[in-house]
Amino acid sequence: GAVVSQHPSRVICKSGTSVKIECRSLDFQATTMFWYRQFPKQSLMLMATSNEGSKATYEQGVEKDKFLINHASLTLSTLTVTSAHPEDSSFYICSARDTQGAGRWNEQFFGPGTRLTVL
Amino acid sequence: AQKVTQAQTEISVVEKEDVTLDCVYETRDTTYYLFWYKQPPSGELVFLIRRNSFDEQNEISGRYSWNFQKSTSSFNFTITASQVVDSAVYFCALSDPWTTNDYKLSFGAGTTVTVRA
Repeated sequence: GAVVSQHPSRVICKSGTSVKIECRSLDFQATTMFWYRQFPKQSLMLMATSNEGSKATYEQGVEKDKFLINHASLTLSTLTVTSAHPEDSSFYICSARDTQGAGRWNEQFFGPGTRLTVL
Repeated sequence: AQKVTQAQTEISVVEKEDVTLDCVYETRDTTYYLFWYKQPPSGELVFLIRRNSFDEQNEISGRYSWNFQKSTSSFNFTITASQVVDSAVYFCALSDPWTTNDYKLSFGAGTTVTVRA
């Protein structure tokens, strides 16, 4: 149980295009999902907290118009990198919080990540 | 201010040696949660342990052990008899929901462990 998937696992795109990354909780409901970005040899940096049915909360310094987050259902959140540029190339990781599983309410389950390369 | 400090950037050991990874955290909450994750070269985070602030018992799981010391705000991780498969980046993380009003995680910078055969 507690599986989180991400799609795609890897994407290469041209500068100026938009890329959508999906994060799904496969066997539990997640009212809250988190999006992280990780540059090579660095730590995970939280970008935003995504709450089902409401607007995402962005961390300081993260452009909300650049990184669009939609959490339309209890099992799906999407991150769209709009007008991507080479500096947006990174490893994007999502996590989902199981709000109903007994004993797991404060755990985050991580997806496998999406490697974005912008040419 | 850095909430989670992993002072060791890289550690290299020979197989079968023990390796201890340090983690020092900072929070004003009395209730908080500490985590360790392993990130192998594939990139996927592997959950290792969660500890809440009221549980100061040390834990052992196979070759892994954790030493939680509230008095020094440390949550150190030891791999005993290391193996090549232990080579990865290890992250310590903190969740202090009463301060952040959320369950987001603050990650340390990570420690890269290389185990040589």
